Amino acid sequence: SQQGEEDPQALSIQEGENATMNCSYKTSINNLQWYRQNSGRGLVHLILIRSNEREKHSGRLRVTLDTSKKSSSLLITASRAADTASYFCATDAGDDKIIFGKGTRLHILP
Amino acid sequence: GAVVSQHPSWVICKSGTSVKIECRSLDFQATTMFWYRQFPKQSLMLMATSNEGSKATYEQGVEKDKFLINHASLTLSTLTVTSAHPEDSSFYICSAQVINYGYTFGSGTRLTVV
Repeated sequence: SQQGEEDPQALSIQEGENATMNCSYKTSINNLQWYRQNSGRGLVHLILIRSNEREKHSGRLRVTLDTSKKSSSLLITASRAADTASYFCATDAGDDKIIFGKGTRLHILP
Repeated sequence: GAVVSQHPSWVICKSGTSVKIECRSLDFQATTMFWYRQFPKQSLMLMATSNEGSKATYEQGVEKDKFLINHASLTLSTLTVTSAHPEDSSFYICSAQVINYGYTFGSGTRLTVV
């Protein structure tokens, strides 16, 4: 089963620009997480935001959460070639499992 | 800390054979592990939740007799794909819940059935 949707499905931007990805979900959650996956590899945990938090920062990453709209966004500032990857949001509804969205494939152009 | 080691990283097997994938928590005890499957350019689909010492909980549409999960200890969960067929070719990833940390993932296993 899948909880939600990310948009866009694919995004290409120039190096140095900011990249914004959105995630919507369907049910109430305890927290929402963002992950990065390089092609054919495992997942790297980027950031976790709890349901009572609205914004969180980690380096060049900024995550927002709007529980009233059941949506979250991930902003990567000053993008680099190494940021090229797929990005997934995942929700924890408190039932001891996390469900992934469909992901956004981000491509940073040199 | 909170590392999950997954093996093998890739495997090619003949149709009809069985393949076992292992996930070990290296520096913590994982009472619960999760198994996901990912087809090319798609998201991770949760297959089952593995609980130490008890039966796994399978998601709807996942055949429990085909995907055997064993979680006999607090540091090891295994997924066995029985009588594998080409349509089982996929990327399989395990995950463990870590108290006060979140979730940590194995590096994945690429299964190709020929």
